Amino acid sequence: EAGVTQFPSHSVIEKGQTVTLRCDPISGHDNLYWYRRVMGKEIKFLLHFVKESKQDESGMPNNRFLAERTGGTYSTLKVQPAELEDSGVYFCASSQDPFEGPPHFTYEQYFGPGTRLTVT
Amino acid sequence: AQSVSQHNHHVILSEAASLELGCNYSYGGTVNLFWYVQYPGQHLQLLLKYFSGDPLVKGIKGFEAEFIKSKFSFNLRKPSVQWSDTAEYFCAVNAGQAGTALIFGKGTTLSVSS
Repeated sequence: EAGVTQFPSHSVIEKGQTVTLRCDPISGHDNLYWYRRVMGKEIKFLLHFVKESKQDESGMPNNRFLAERTGGTYSTLKVQPAELEDSGVYFCASSQDPFEGPPHFTYEQYFGPGTRLTVT
Repeated sequence: AQSVSQHNHHVILSEAASLELGCNYSYGGTVNLFWYVQYPGQHLQLLLKYFSGDPLVKGIKGFEAEFIKSKFSFNLRKPSVQWSDTAEYFCAVNAGQAGTALIFGKGTTLSVSS
């Protein structure tokens, strides 16, 4: 079974530019999450999709960040315009639908390798 | 607000030493508890998880963790570490509901010397 994949693995952009990160969840996983780790800090939640709908976007730092999940498959996270403080590692995770499979599968999130974003 | 505290930022051990990494959380309701590990150059992967039942949970690679509700703790243990356990370890919690976001601690880097 293929895991969660993310593209690119590393992106270096200048302040003011735009970057789009992509996440492909595990096939069949309706829940998709974005997290971010800024250097030296904890991994922080950004937002959660259930299929194509935003279930919780309380962690999005500001309106320079736009996440989409058209068709309920892969997701993109766009940062426009990028600022220095946006540098960090962006993780994507996915999990199964809570109404499918054994109950414990509801809660386990599988993570991708992350995209390291450097804004100079 | 929910939070997770990991007591140790960096732990250095020799092979065969015992390991205990502390994790405390603050949340008043039902929680699910996790330990994730990130080996150098690899993905975050789940070590073990607690949802309900026996508070002593066993995970992969000989790790275990004990949920002590009265202390809001979920410490990770391993009786004898190996060089290959060198990694960063993250404690995480989420509310006991389907699909809620994980709240992570800051992580503990474990370095094991052979």
